[in-house]
Order: sequence, then C-alpha cells, then structure tokens
Amino acid sequence: LAKTTQPISMDSYEGQEVNITCSHNNIATNDYITWYQQFPSQGPRFIIQGYKTKVTNEVASLFIPADRKSSTLSLPRVSLSDTAVYYCLVGDKAAGNKLTFGGGTRVLVKP
Amino acid sequence: DGGITQSPKYLFRKEGQNVTLSCEQNLNHDAMYWYRQDPGQGLRLIYYSQIVNDFQKGDIAEGYSVSREKKESFPLTVTSAQKNPTAFYLCASGKGWETQYFGPGTRLLVL
Repeated sequence: LAKTTQPISMDSYEGQEVNITCSHNNIATNDYITWYQQFPSQGPRFIIQGYKTKVTNEVASLFIPADRKSSTLSLPRVSLSDTAVYYCLVGDKAAGNKLTFGGGTRVLVKP
Repeated sequence: DGGITQSPKYLFRKEGQNVTLSCEQNLNHDAMYWYRQDPGQGLRLIYYSQIVNDFQKGDIAEGYSVSREKKESFPLTVTSAQKNPTAFYLCASGKGWETQYFGPGTRLLVL
C-alpha cells in the first residue's frame, strides 16, 4: 500500500491561502490521490481527487507534479469554519477497495 | 433524501456484552466500510464489503463481526472479545474505492 506523510498541524489566519503537502513516494501507476476533511465528532467529507497535474473545484485545488510523489491541497481564502483535520489518501487498486487514512493534518484558522 | 445513516449516536456497552451498530445507505452503493477512530488519531479500517453477501477483514478486524445481507445495510457487531471498544465508529459507502461517503458516526463507551 502506498503510504502517505503529511504535517501534523498547521496554523493560518482568516483570508489566507492554506497549502498542505502530502508525500507519497511509492505511489503506484493506477493510484489516485484523494483528500478528505473532518470536523470533530463527524465523518470525513470528500474534498477533491486527482491523478496528475491540477484539479480545481469550488472548494479547493489539488496540485500534483509530474512524478506524482507528492501532492498539495490548496484552500483559498480560508475562514474559521475551515478549521478541521485534512486527510490525504492514495488509492491502491491492488488491495481492492481498501484505503488507508493516516493521522491527517490539523488545520487551525485564527481570526 | 439520499444519504448514509448510523444509529445509535451514542452506545454504552457492559462487560462481556455484544453490541450492534447500525449502518444504512440509500445511495445505491455497492461498497460499504466500517472504520474505528480513537481520539486524536486517524481512521482504521475494520471491515469492508464490495458486494452483498461478501466482506473482507480490514486492518483491525479482531473482536468485530459484520454481515451484508442487503445492499443497503452493513451492521457491525462489537463482540466481548474486543477488549478496548471505546471509540468513534464510522460507516461509509461508495460506488468504488475512489470516493467514500461517511455517516455521522456512533460513539461507543464502556460502562
């Protein structure tokens, strides 16, 4: 299984852009990169998914370099409600539908 | 109103007791999953099912059991063999491995 490494925590201020980088050095050819957001005492929520280059939706952008050994989730102009834990996952099709959630990155947005 | 539901929200277990957590989805998803989350930690996969009447062990299946008799339902039983069951339990469903939709969770406490 492709393992991911991401920072334990990050602090930011309202209105700033937050960039969270995830390392996945042994990502496989068929693996996709997916990010989830989790608020306390709630289930994780899908944010964005990509395979290569850049993906953007109404919530975030995902940047994936050509070697795909890392990816960066970008949250534009964060607000206090973006305070949450963000998980980076890499899908391993060899293991079927099994995903591995790491410890995530705890993002604290300050006023 | 489509979604995934879990019940109860809180559950108390006595020593030696088996308890069952409910998970229902009306999203017509083939795959369903159970995760356990301990305080300040990421999610760990207990069991998953890709199709009715079939399921596989995840990373921490010992002390747990599941069934998948209907596409919409994937109940999890925490047996007396699970010596440290206090945790937040999350159920998820998905069409495939790429994106999982999570329920609101059940918090299990031991009396």
